[in-house]
Amino acid sequence: KAGVTQTPRYLIKTRGQQVTLSCSPISGHRSVSWYQQTPGQGLQFLFEYFSETQRNKGNFPGRFSGRQFSNSRSEMNVSTLELGDSALYLCASSLTSSTFYEQYFGPGTRLTVT
Amino acid sequence: AQKVTQAQTEISVVEKEDVTLDCVYETRDTTYYLFWYKQPPSGELVFLIRRNSFDEQNEISGRYSWNFQKSTSSFNFTITASQVVDSAVYFCALSEATKTSYDKVIFGPGTSLSVIP
Repeated sequence: KAGVTQTPRYLIKTRGQQVTLSCSPISGHRSVSWYQQTPGQGLQFLFEYFSETQRNKGNFPGRFSGRQFSNSRSEMNVSTLELGDSALYLCASSLTSSTFYEQYFGPGTRLTVT
Repeated sequence: AQKVTQAQTEISVVEKEDVTLDCVYETRDTTYYLFWYKQPPSGELVFLIRRNSFDEQNEISGRYSWNFQKSTSSFNFTITASQVVDSAVYFCALSEATKTSYDKVIFGPGTSLSVIP
């Protein structure tokens, strides 16, 4: 079974730009969650999607948004990038809910904002 | 509110030593789930174990064992006879579940384990 894939793996953007990250979950998994990982803040929950609906949202500004498609693939968008958005963005999939089931993580997208 | 504490920021052990990683959690729910994940230097988090709040049985999987104690709100992880491949950051995580809502998973700050050959 193929694992969670994320594209791109690395990205360099400048302040003010926007970026879209993509995540393909494990086949059959319907829940996709996104996390931001930084040395200072650790792993912080961004949002979770299930059946194309946002189920939960973390404490991030509105510049961070996401969506999920009918095939469970998900995208995350960050608009008006700031230096502090530099981080590893991790996507995770689980069977139906990250609350009840273990999550399988992708390799992450390393975003650098200059 | 949910909270997960991993008081040990970094631990170094010599190969073949046993090591215990501590995890203390806070929750007001009676139904919740606890998880451990491993993040090796390659960066990809790997699921290790899931435990629900109604199952206090300890679990052993090879060299790994977990001790769940609701009385002290702890879910500790022990690696027996550690190996260099165990070097990684280990995260404890908590999610609360009610009948009508789902809640997000909260991760602890992680414990960085270095196993020295």
